[in-house]
Amino acid sequence: KQEVTQIPAALSVPEGENLVLNCSFTDSAIYNLQWFRQDPGKGLTSLLLIQSSQREQTSGRLNASLDKSSGRSTLYIAASQPGDSATYLCAPDSNYQLIWGAGTKLIIKP
Amino acid sequence: NAGVTQTPKFQVLKTGQSMTLQCAQDMNHEYMSWYRQDPGMGLRLIHYSVGAGITDQGEVPNGYNVSRSTTEDFPLRLLSAAPSQTSVYFCASSRLGVAGGLETQYFGPGTRLLVL
Repeated sequence: KQEVTQIPAALSVPEGENLVLNCSFTDSAIYNLQWFRQDPGKGLTSLLLIQSSQREQTSGRLNASLDKSSGRSTLYIAASQPGDSATYLCAPDSNYQLIWGAGTKLIIKP
Repeated sequence: NAGVTQTPKFQVLKTGQSMTLQCAQDMNHEYMSWYRQDPGMGLRLIHYSVGAGITDQGEVPNGYNVSRSTTEDFPLRLLSAAPSQTSVYFCASSRLGVAGGLETQYFGPGTRLLVL
């Protein structure tokens, strides 16, 4: 059974810092892995999707990496801004089922 | 494009009552799914569908039914509501990947359900 862990559970940093969010999963038989952000009281917005054959995917200040064999993915956020404050969730895709971590709650202080 | 829409936004039920949460998408996506999100936890998959007429169970299907008679709609039915079903419910949709798996997921705004 797929299990997903996200570390840290919460992170508070000053504006402008580069930061890394971690996601680990137990079953490496995945098609892809997706990263999302969730703002308080809102739905989820997709940030990046990495196919199992890829090692990295970039969108603006965001870069996600995937090491399928070791069951790890990281989300790198460059030059953080207060608008990046949200909860970030990762979800590997195993046979049409996304299994979710509990998320990392990120606060960027102005 | 309205994307993924969910109704109602908020609902209060008494224990034992039944109700249907509505989900619709206008992107012609083959895949649709229902999740519940509880405080401090990640999303948990309830049911999913890879096309009209096809549904399957996720991690936590007990107490819920689904059907997929059209590509656009994927309603979630609570048969006999229990306080343990108090949660926020999200519907999502996507295309199926050409090489397997799912493409980018699009989420609805959620339905907050309180069961007394």
